Amino acid sequence: DIQMTQSPSSLSASVGDRVTITCQASQDITKYLNWYQQKPGKAPNLLIYDASNLKPGVPSRFSGSGSGTDFTFTISSLQPEDIATYYCQQYDKLPLTFGGGTKVEIK
Amino acid sequence: QVQLQESGPGLVKPSGTLSLTCGVSGDSISSSKWWTWVRQPPGKGLEWIGEIYHTGSTNYNPSLKSRVTIFIDKSKNQFSLNLNSVTAADTAVYYCARPSSGYSSGPLDYWGQGTLVTVSS
Repeated sequence: DIQMTQSPSSLSASVGDRVTITCQASQDITKYLNWYQQKPGKAPNLLIYDASNLKPGVPSRFSGSGSGTDFTFTISSLQPEDIATYYCQQYDKLPLTFGGGTKVEIK
Repeated sequence: QVQLQESGPGLVKPSGTLSLTCGVSGDSISSSKWWTWVRQPPGKGLEWIGEIYHTGSTNYNPSLKSRVTIFIDKSKNQFSLNLNSVTAADTAVYYCARPSSGYSSGPLDYWGQGTLVTVSS
């Protein structure tokens, strides 16, 4: 299985701050990396697909980058509604695997 | 608008079988998609269970493969999950999901609301 190591596991930031989450794959997954946002009690919501493509309708403050084994997810200006847990997911090889999640809180 | 809805018992006894169904509306179960099950134990992360194509082809997580069956019912436009020999470790919110338009697999863009299944006597 491809292991997805996400860091940090949690972070606290102020409204307006730039927030960065990293995800490292245990082997080369080229661009097959997605990012999800999950709010408490809700299903995950796809934000970024194929490492850097913003899903239509998702605010432009969200972005993704990277390829191979190292990927980054960024919120350029944290908003109160961004409080959630974020997960990366690879789909280069089965089984699909997720990172452990990053819980984002407001300072 | 594609919608998915999980249904099934919320409580299963240890050593029993967990059975869930995902009803699909706004899309045909015969479309070129790998229909997917994902679970999330309380307070923990996401785990891919497996997927099924309309032809009946399946892929399962090796960690669950010996206990999992996913099958499809085209007449009802739904797909289902059976997980046998359950233990407390199988207590989780179970989600069904569908990949994004333009993808047969991979980015999961449509999700059910999730259903909590508790394994307890």
